[in-house]
Amino acid sequence: EDKVVQSPLSLVVHEGDTVTLNCSYEVTNFRSLLWYKQEKKAPTFLFMLTSSGIEKKSGRLSSILDKKELFSILNITATQTGDSAVYLCAVSFYNQGGKLIFGQGTELSVKP
Amino acid sequence: GAGVSQSPSNKVTEKGKDVELRCDPISGHTALYWYRQSLGQGLEFLIYFQGNSAPDKSGLPSDRFSAERTGGSVSTLTIQRTQQEDSAVYLCASSRAGPTNEKLFFGSGTQLSVL
Repeated sequence: EDKVVQSPLSLVVHEGDTVTLNCSYEVTNFRSLLWYKQEKKAPTFLFMLTSSGIEKKSGRLSSILDKKELFSILNITATQTGDSAVYLCAVSFYNQGGKLIFGQGTELSVKP
Repeated sequence: GAGVSQSPSNKVTEKGKDVELRCDPISGHTALYWYRQSLGQGLEFLIYFQGNSAPDKSGLPSDRFSAERTGGSVSTLTIQRTQQEDSAVYLCASSRAGPTNEKLFFGSGTQLSVL
């Protein structure tokens, strides 16, 4: 059975800390791994990773994929209270478009 | 429209009633998806429409659930004879055709509460 597992499930840090969120997967016909940020209801797209070892960056956020060990990490440096959200990891498959399997999410809380 | 629009934003219903949830995707997006998120859980795939192809219904949890997409745009998710376990946030998403078609744009969801 295809599965995506995120850890930790929840995390509390203080502003300025650096955090690393983990996502591992066991799926067949893997195409890409995606990270989303969910505040309130609508998840918003962060990164899509298809190739191993190529870091993607957007401001203080970065992510990398390891297709040999079947995991990805999402790093957030110099965290701010606005980073508080649930971070979702998902996997896509060849010939199945946006039919994604999601992990349970990591709930990040950044305290002032 | 500028984003994916869902209505209603909240729906409270009694067990056994039917409900209809509506999704208006981003203009020009050919693919439309329904996902469900139960409290504290990740998103669960329900159904996927791509252009004029037959929809992928493999995630629908029971035959009480159905969806249609009219004119390649607006979609309606219908739940018949609702049960308490149907209570969840129902999220709609759309995407463009092409090599990044797994990059989904989500609506704000419909919070369904079945009493």
